[in-house]
Amino acid sequence: DGGITQSPKYLFRKEGQNVTLSCEQNLNHDAMYWYRQDPGQGLRLIYYSQIVNDFQKGDIAEGYSVSREKKESFPLTVTSAQKNPTAFYLCASSSSGTHEQYFGPGTRLTVT
Amino acid sequence: AQKVTQAQTEISVVEKEDVTLDCVYETRDTTYYLFWYKQPPSGELVFLIRRNSFDEQNEISGRYSWNFQKSTSSFNFTITASQVVDSAVYFCALRLSGTYKYIFGTGTRLKVLA
Repeated sequence: DGGITQSPKYLFRKEGQNVTLSCEQNLNHDAMYWYRQDPGQGLRLIYYSQIVNDFQKGDIAEGYSVSREKKESFPLTVTSAQKNPTAFYLCASSSSGTHEQYFGPGTRLTVT
Repeated sequence: AQKVTQAQTEISVVEKEDVTLDCVYETRDTTYYLFWYKQPPSGELVFLIRRNSFDEQNEISGRYSWNFQKSTSSFNFTITASQVVDSAVYFCALRLSGTYKYIFGTGTRLKVLA
């Protein structure tokens, strides 16, 4: 089945540690995205990538880093510089042909 | 600047009532795409519909219907005969032609009570 996978579903870390969230898609989509969602809030764009080896900052990129070495993969690292990392993180992908985004199941990160 | 406004933060209806979720967008571009997504309690956003700016036809899919009006920059979503399973947060989004960036509204939480 084609889709987007994110792992793990729940992630717990101690403050001061970097953590990497996984996102893989087998939809052959060119573009991939990372969003952050806080309780009761909308989606805020962290980073997006249109093609391999290229990515752009979104609205809240500070304290985060990404890489796009393969078309299928777009991992997000939450660094210790991110002041409030506890949130729900959603990965998405889209194709230039159909325009709509498809989302993964999300990773709920808790940092204590 | 581009913007999507969902003024209704939360709506509660009783099962079988009809409900309309409002979405107003702002853009100066003539070519763009509008979307609706559903986010159930599980958290994953589910794509519902895409509408191109050059296609103002309304669309109906089962109990769901969408009313796109360029004159008022609105793309409203109506659920007919609502059901408890419709309870979710609904997001409206805008994407400009030639870009990969999506602009989301803040979402409307719909509660359908049995």
